[in-house]
Amino acid sequence: DADVTQTPRNRITKTGKRIMLECSQTKGHDRMYWYRQDPGLGLRLIYYSFDVKDINKGEISDGYSVSRQAQAKFSLSLESAIPNQTALYFCATSDRGRIDTQYFGPGTRLTVL
Amino acid sequence: QKEVEQDPGPLSVPEGAIVSLNCTYSNSAFQYFMWYRQYSRKGPELLMYTYSSGNKEDGRFTAQVDKSSKYISLFIRDSQPSDSATYLCAMSGGGSNYKLTFGKGTLLTVNP
Repeated sequence: DADVTQTPRNRITKTGKRIMLECSQTKGHDRMYWYRQDPGLGLRLIYYSFDVKDINKGEISDGYSVSRQAQAKFSLSLESAIPNQTALYFCATSDRGRIDTQYFGPGTRLTVL
Repeated sequence: QKEVEQDPGPLSVPEGAIVSLNCTYSNSAFQYFMWYRQYSRKGPELLMYTYSSGNKEDGRFTAQVDKSSKYISLFIRDSQPSDSATYLCAMSGGGSNYKLTFGKGTLLTVNP
């Protein structure tokens, strides 16, 4: 089984809808991250969490919220989806002692119509 | 000036060629340098990891870091069609600095 899983893998939704993307990991890592990837813009950090009680905004957090339900689970929500949130979303994890090496999930392709 | 610059390509080479991929950066605090490989419709996977300046070799892959020039490279020897992917450089300051800064990636195609 994959160490970092994301659900759903693909999602098409409409403007204004609330969407939740979920991430689970079996690596036992403390730190979890949400990124979005857009053509020409690369990977951009949305939110990150160093443990269950520690949530931090990344560089593009507006329009997004997160929940760290357990060490192994980190969810990303779009409260009211808009078309420019159409992107590929990745969850990643890292070990407390190796914060520089992150391990990515397979991604969720989100389309907002 | 962006913190990390990476030529997006695309780069197309014949099988067996030596491939050179490069990134430049502006933040002198960066100490950890990584290369990720991303196949189409997949998440990035860590390929190489280097601390500070110097070379690191792993099979057909060699990572080089020149901190004085703020320049990092990834060389792929005897390239194979299975190496076709997007390669992203990433770097960070280490310590309590969680943040990885990524290049935008270079799309590589190795033609049989």
